[in-house]
Amino acid sequence: AQTVTQSQPEMSVQEAETVTLSCTYDTSESDYYLFWYKQPPSRQMILVIRQEAYKQQNATENRFSVNFQKAAKSFSLKISDSQLGDAAMYFCAYRSGRGGATNKLIFGTGTLLAVQP
Amino acid sequence: DAGVIQSPRHEVTEMGQEVTLRCKPISGHNSLFWYRQTMMRGLELLIYFNNNVPIDDSGMPEDRFSAKMPNASFSTLKIQPSEPRDSAVYFCASSLMTGGETQYFGPGTRLLVL
Repeated sequence: AQTVTQSQPEMSVQEAETVTLSCTYDTSESDYYLFWYKQPPSRQMILVIRQEAYKQQNATENRFSVNFQKAAKSFSLKISDSQLGDAAMYFCAYRSGRGGATNKLIFGTGTLLAVQP
Repeated sequence: DAGVIQSPRHEVTEMGQEVTLRCKPISGHNSLFWYRQTMMRGLELLIYFNNNVPIDDSGMPEDRFSAKMPNASFSTLKIQPSEPRDSAVYFCASSLMTGGETQYFGPGTRLLVL
């Protein structure tokens, strides 16, 4: 079974600085997708970024980028120029590429990011 | 286009009462997911549907929980009778059925069972 591990329960960053959140996963599949979701105090789950395992290029979305190391099964999220609005819980998630009964997201336990002014 | 819509946003009920949570997926999406979030267990899948058919309900805690999807634009999650340990945030998410498609979440229903 696939698992997702986030080893940093809490992180803190100064406004305008850069922070990296860690995520590792375990799978025997070769076709899968990885996601980072943000959950602010409103509890809404917001997609931050997505990475297809078959792509070697790391995904980027404005100030957010990932470091995808497929062999190491590592998927870290880098937030550049941190803003107060980035303060939230961040979840790493895995989804099989096979579809069908494997369509569910498997979440890590989350990292609570605080942004200091 | 509207996102995933859930109602109610908050629900407070007494133990033993029936609770019904509702979800309207994004138009055109053919997969729908119900997740539960608790401090103890984190985010976990309860059930999901493809083309209105339940595919995986292995996460449904027990017979007190049931879910239906009578058509492509509506789903319900029912708890009867409710218990205090059911208190959680319940999320509905939808996506296209193709493997790997992004799931988009609704705002969640915060349930408190007294």
